[in-house]
Amino acid sequence: ETGVTQSPTHLIKTRGQQVTLRCSSQSGHNTVSWYQQALGQGPQFIFQYYREEENGRGNFPPRFSGLQFPNYSSELNVNALELDDSALYLCASSAPGTSDTQYFGPGTRLTVL
Amino acid sequence: GQSLEQPSEVTAVEGAIVQINCTYQTSGFYGLSWYQQHDGGAPTFLSYNALDGLEETGRFSSFLSRSDSYGYLLLQELQMKDSASYFCAGEGSSASKIIFGSGTRLSIRP
Repeated sequence: ETGVTQSPTHLIKTRGQQVTLRCSSQSGHNTVSWYQQALGQGPQFIFQYYREEENGRGNFPPRFSGLQFPNYSSELNVNALELDDSALYLCASSAPGTSDTQYFGPGTRLTVL
Repeated sequence: GQSLEQPSEVTAVEGAIVQINCTYQTSGFYGLSWYQQHDGGAPTFLSYNALDGLEETGRFSSFLSRSDSYGYLLLQELQMKDSASYFCAGEGSSASKIIFGSGTRLSIRP
C-alpha cells in the first residue's frame, strides 16, 4: 500500500509568482485535505476535496485554489505569492467516511522571497 | 468561531506518564483527534474519540468529555522517541472542517 506522497519537497519562489504543489493520495482514499503550517504552529485547514469537488474551505483567499483528479491525486495552486505564504504545505488523505483519520504526506516546504 | 487550546510546552521524565489537555470551542463538533509530529516530519494520526470516554492504543490513551468540551492525550512509559509536538484536532460541521490546536511540544528528560 503506497502512502501519501507530495512533490516537490522544497520550493523557492519570489513574491508575485504562482506555484503548483502536488499530492498523491493513499490507495483507496477519495478525500484529500490541504493544510498550511507555519513554523511552530498547528496546520491550518485550506480546503478539502471529495470526489473531485471542493467539500469545505478554511479562511484562505481565492488565490488559493485546488483540483482533485479522477485518480484522487490533487493539486494546490497559489497565485500572486506573498512573503507570508512561506510555510510547510501538507496534504492529507482519508478513506470514505473517515475524515477524522487523516494520513499526511511529508509536505512541501515553500519559501517566498 | 472554532478554536482548540493546548499548553504550548510540557516536560516529562523518561518512563513517566504525561497528560496533554485540549479544550475546544466548536460548533457542530463531531469528535477529537490527536496527531504526533516530530521536527521536520509530517503529522501522524494517533487516536480519535467520537464518543465520551477513554480510547486506549498501546502506550497512548485519549479521553473526551463533550459536556466539558475537553479532551486529553495520555502517554505512558515515556520514551525519548516520544519527544515531539502533539496536536488535538476537532472535526466540525462548518466550512472549516478540521481545526487543529496550536500544538504541545513534549520534551522528555532522561
